[in-house]
Amino acid sequence: IVMTQSPDSLAVSLGERATINCKSSQSLLYSSDNKNYLAWYQQKPGQPPKLLIYWASTRESGVPDRFSGSGSGTDFTLTISSLQAEDVAVYYCQQFYSTRTFGQGTKVEIK
Amino acid sequence: QVQLVESGGDLVQPGGSLRLSCAASGFTFSDYYMSWIRQAPGKGPEWVSFISNSGDAAYYADSVKGRFTISRDNAKNSLYLQMNSLRVEDTAVYYCAREVTTTDYWGQGTLVTVSS
Repeated sequence: IVMTQSPDSLAVSLGERATINCKSSQSLLYSSDNKNYLAWYQQKPGQPPKLLIYWASTRESGVPDRFSGSGSGTDFTLTISSLQAEDVAVYYCQQFYSTRTFGQGTKVEIK
Repeated sequence: QVQLVESGGDLVQPGGSLRLSCAASGFTFSDYYMSWIRQAPGKGPEWVSFISNSGDAAYYADSVKGRFTISRDNAKNSLYLQMNSLRVEDTAVYYCAREVTTTDYWGQGTLVTVSS
């Protein structure tokens, strides 16, 4: 399964919304449980990725509620509702429907 | 708290071998599947392998199948990756990671450089 993110980078003003898209080459919706096997990670320089969201829209414990995930099937979105300075990072989507595959990443910067 | 500490990364020549280790603490290691995931400089992560909680099932990316072997010792709370026939394109930071619903905790990684 190939994961493709867009855009590769974006610059957003503090307090504004940031939107990242992720498309999979096949549906990530598992019919037996009606769940989308899609996760989002945040990676800051020199650190490992940090899990933000799984099942496409479930926030990991401790993740601020300005981060939200949506979508189903093959098209997914990560939204940061009000960008903070500490959100500058690279964001990756990952499918866990079949082993694991990551997108190429989207770099979020401050405008 | 969950801690995963990798070791064993080094500079190795093409065709060489290396064994990575990961020491786990802060959770019941034998209850979880575990993964190795790598990240080449400036690239996104690439899943390499995972192993069942008992160690009786292992899965590999096509890019490493037949060259890498994952294993674990639940008595020592340790995960391993034996890497043989290394190639330049295997150069990356290698992360040990815990699997629950998906990959939830990652170690800090160990750098493997394959170069002549």
